[in-house]
Order: sequence, then structure tokens, then C-alpha cells
Amino acid sequence: QKEVEQDPGPLSVPEGAIVSLNCTYSNSAFQYFMWYRQYSRKGPELLMYTYSSGNKEDGRFTAQVDKSSKYISLFIRDSQPSDSATYLCAMSAGSGGFKTIFGAGTRLFVKA
Amino acid sequence: GAGVSQSPSNKVTEKGKDVELRCDPISGHTALYWYRQRLGQGLEFLIYFQGNSAPDKSGLPSDRFSAERTGESVSTLTIQRTQQEDSAVYLCASRVAGVNEQFFGPGTRLTVL
Repeated sequence: QKEVEQDPGPLSVPEGAIVSLNCTYSNSAFQYFMWYRQYSRKGPELLMYTYSSGNKEDGRFTAQVDKSSKYISLFIRDSQPSDSATYLCAMSAGSGGFKTIFGAGTRLFVKA
Repeated sequence: GAGVSQSPSNKVTEKGKDVELRCDPISGHTALYWYRQRLGQGLEFLIYFQGNSAPDKSGLPSDRFSAERTGESVSTLTIQRTQQEDSAVYLCASRVAGVNEQFFGPGTRLTVL
């Protein structure tokens, strides 16, 4: 079993839809949770960063962490064609010096 | 430069040849990572450098793979006797000590014929 599981998709939605992306994990030591966005032929870039359980909102993006269920989510409201990318979840047991484990990434297509 | 740079951006080589990939991290970033990303796959950890500590090589898939970093500057990833299954994008990332956010370069797309 992989430490981090993420459905690779692809996920195709119409413009304006609410998108839900999810990851599950098995290591209860993970405390730091991140979502990276990767456009085609580019390196990933950090989108959202949360510590422990709870919600974090940034514009159209909301990250949720449920440590009791070992489940994290990224919600995108009012999705735009420019949101079309691969979204990778990532998590780490500590800040600095700890290995970050990445999910396989979910490919998202937002149709105009 | 403001970001992580990698060279070459593309590399096509013949099976059995050695290749060397270069990463220039962001100035002041003490930690540096190499990842492999096969087509349609996630990031596969290869190696991690932190300052002057011994590198974490636990992700290197075989002894054909090696990496070096001089101090807190550039790093090179070397693949000897390349095989077709080595074809992938090789990503480098760097970060500041004590912070989880990694800054990625654009990657080197390696094709082994």
C-alpha cells in the first residue's frame, strides 16, 4: 500500500463547476499537508499549505484536512479553464529535514 | 535568477550512454531534492541534500544513479549506462531550512532511445 493515495483521473468539469480533489494517507505521523499545481511541461508550484487538521481558504481554493480519517481535500470554486492542470497532494511528518511524500497527481480539465 | 534552474531542458541519448543533469537551486536554499516523474505519474523521490549533512540516497533506484552537490550550490544527477526505463522528467527542488515549501525547477526531459 502506498503511503499516499490519489486518484489520477482525469477529471473533466465544465467552467464554473466546483471541483473536489482528494487524497488518503496511511502514516499518522504526517502533520503538514500541501497541494501543488503542475501545468504541462512545468515544475509543480505550491498552491496551499496547511498544518494539522482544519480548513484553509485562499480565494477560490479551500484545503481541508481530516486527520482522524487520514483524508485531505482541495476544493476549487467557480473553476476556470486556467485551472486545468495536474494537482498533487503532498505531506510531511515535520518541517524541514523530513521527506515529503507526493501523491500521483490528479489531472483536471476545465472546459470552457 | 529568481527560481530553480535546470539544464538541459531536453536530453535525448542512446541506451548505454551516461548523462549528467544539472540543477541550480535558489540562492540561500540549503535543502535540495531530485525527483523522477514518469509520464502520467507522480513524483518519485530520488535523493535529498541538506547543508553539509550526508545525503539521503534512499530513493535512488540503482547504482547507475548518483548525485553530487557542492556545499549549498549546484547539484548534478548522473545516470550511467542509461536504459529505456530511465526515460522521464527529472525535477529538482530546493527549499529553505525549516520550511516545507519546495520550489521546483522546470525539469529535464530525458529520452533514452
